[in-house]
Amino acid sequence: GAVVSQHPSRVICKSGTSVKIECRSLDFQATTMFWYRQFPKQSLMLMATSNEGSKATYEQGVEKDKFLINHASLTLSTLTVTSAHPEDSSFYICSANYILRAGTYEQYFGPGTRLTVT
Amino acid sequence: QKEVEQNSGPLSVPEGAIASLNCTYSDRGSQSFFWYRQYSGKSPELIMFIYSNGDKEDGRFTAQLNKASQYVSLLIRDSQPSDSATYLCAVNMGHTGTASKLTFGTGTRLQVTL
Repeated sequence: GAVVSQHPSRVICKSGTSVKIECRSLDFQATTMFWYRQFPKQSLMLMATSNEGSKATYEQGVEKDKFLINHASLTLSTLTVTSAHPEDSSFYICSANYILRAGTYEQYFGPGTRLTVT
Repeated sequence: QKEVEQNSGPLSVPEGAIASLNCTYSDRGSQSFFWYRQYSGKSPELIMFIYSNGDKEDGRFTAQLNKASQYVSLLIRDSQPSDSATYLCAVNMGHTGTASKLTFGTGTRLQVTL
């Protein structure tokens, strides 16, 4: 399967600071990546769809000015949590679409970033 | 009604038995279906995808799709303790081939006992 990496795997920051998380497709190009958030013992929540070369599409209830997404190349998308607060502490996971052949694709996840805001 | 529904479990099966995980979805126009495994504290790992009605087998895993009943299942044969995880059903409610988002169920927790 295709490989997606995320960096950093863990980050601890102080309240009010910003944190950037990188998501890379290592062995394929991904025009579309997705950002999810998962709180303990809860299901995945899609935050936004990141499209290369265009603005991200945010899910309802997700603050686009707080969660900045940039998809600058076919292999890299970044999520910046601005002015982080303790309630932003969560497990952030990205995924990328890998096109198998025309008409079919698979979505692969990165290993996730655990953010703790103190 | 939730868009993708799964029984949260836990589903407990003895080692060596067949585990059967079920998922129903609401959008009749859904085109592609995925099963992911997620270990505690880890990100989801793709196990199988299925697009056509019927069965699709890969090793110990078999995915079954019935579009008329809006039902997709995952069978795990010869269950092992290492299969103990949460299994997520995901549905692409767009057309096959579009990079549209997946809608996830809440997952079924599987416990394989010795």
